[in-house]
Amino acid sequence: GQQLNQSPQSMFIQEGEDVSMNCTSSSIFNTWLWYKQDPGEGPVLLIALYKAGELTSNGRLTAQFGITRKDSFLNISASIPSDVGIYFCAGQLNTGNQFYFGTGTSLTVIP
Amino acid sequence: GAVVSQHPSRVICKSGTSVKIECRSLDFQATTMFWYRQFPKKSLMLMATSNEGSKATYEQGVEKDKFLINHASLTLSTLTVTSAHPEDSSFYICSALALAGVTTDTQYFGPGTRLTVL
Repeated sequence: GQQLNQSPQSMFIQEGEDVSMNCTSSSIFNTWLWYKQDPGEGPVLLIALYKAGELTSNGRLTAQFGITRKDSFLNISASIPSDVGIYFCAGQLNTGNQFYFGTGTSLTVIP
Repeated sequence: GAVVSQHPSRVICKSGTSVKIECRSLDFQATTMFWYRQFPKKSLMLMATSNEGSKATYEQGVEKDKFLINHASLTLSTLTVTSAHPEDSSFYICSALALAGVTTDTQYFGPGTRLTVL
């Protein structure tokens, strides 16, 4: 299957700080999705990206579809305690096909 | 956003019994659903792709006779873990593909099912 490299693996930050994480792939994707997963729950969709270069925001979250279509970035501004969780990127090669997932970034926000 | 439900949320069963997990897309039709397994602090592992009206496609290493998948309608897929054993204990999550445009998809997840086999 496709390998998505997600980094960093984990982050420990102070409340109020900004966060950046990214996913890279050796393949070209047509869709990138970003999810947040809380313990014991299913992933919740945060942002969907469909065009190279696209920059989309959802509140304090901003994600970008890389120009090369092989990477994507997620930024969280002014982090708060409820941002704690595991963030996953997912990429799709073609419509109707499965999404491939990154290994996740575990975020801890210290009040 | 689109809503996907999963039932039950938790199940505890004895070794050797079968367990059925349901996945429903509540406000959209999904011709394609996916079943994942997730181990603690790990990423999602795709088990199989469930297509409405046809046989599921299983990933390498996943036993199709053990993990039976039925996609009976455009809003329902079921996963049956047959003759469950303790090593089958895990967090099972389904997802459904929803069209986001003419040529684009979005994937929505259910809340997951925690299976514990004693």
